[in-house]
Amino acid sequence: NAGVTQTPKFQVLKTGQSMTLQCAQDMNHNSMYWYRQDPGMGLRLIYYSASEGTTDKGEVPNGYNVSRLNKREFSLRLESAAPSQTSVYFCASSEAGQGWVETQYFGPGTRLLVL
Amino acid sequence: AQSVTQLGSHVSVSEGALVLLRCNYSSSVPPYLFWYVQYPNQGLQLLLKYTTGATLVKGINGFEAEFKKSETSFHLTKPSAHMSDAAEYFCAVSRGTSYGKLTFGQGTILTVHP
Repeated sequence: NAGVTQTPKFQVLKTGQSMTLQCAQDMNHNSMYWYRQDPGMGLRLIYYSASEGTTDKGEVPNGYNVSRLNKREFSLRLESAAPSQTSVYFCASSEAGQGWVETQYFGPGTRLLVL
Repeated sequence: AQSVTQLGSHVSVSEGALVLLRCNYSSSVPPYLFWYVQYPNQGLQLLLKYTTGATLVKGINGFEAEFKKSETSFHLTKPSAHMSDAAEYFCAVSRGTSYGKLTFGQGTILTVHP
């Protein structure tokens, strides 16, 4: 039982390049989330997927797109990377029993540097 | 809108001393409150959470937090710090109508000195 896994662990991009961050969970959770973490700002929600087949914007969605490929996988795509997207990206998942009280389980993160 | 403020971006204590990490929230509806811990180069893991019922919540690793509605606070404490407690701690709030969506504070880095 690996929990939440993310690939890659670290990535360097040039401005304008695109990339996809991958996330998978093996806990049979219905809900999945993408956050970014910046110094002094905590974690901010980019997008979330309450269940397979649905996605919604979070607090900072601009410049990102997501795909809920199946129940296990939730990917985050940067179409044209910008230096402002340099950050640590975390994927999380949770059961969908009682959404607002459920525990979210986090992956180890992807460190992205955009030059 | 809901928000979380963590007072003090860095807290330093001696091993064996009391740990107190402060969190205040604002929410227009009864909140659900969480403390998460992040060890270096790792993801976040849940320490404890308050939903309803008893206002003193006990979590893992000897941590506890008390929900005080009148003070809009949810401070995290541990009676005796251990070197292994050194990490970054995040307070978060969720509203009942915001399906699974957490709003995080900016984090507090705890340093434990020998």
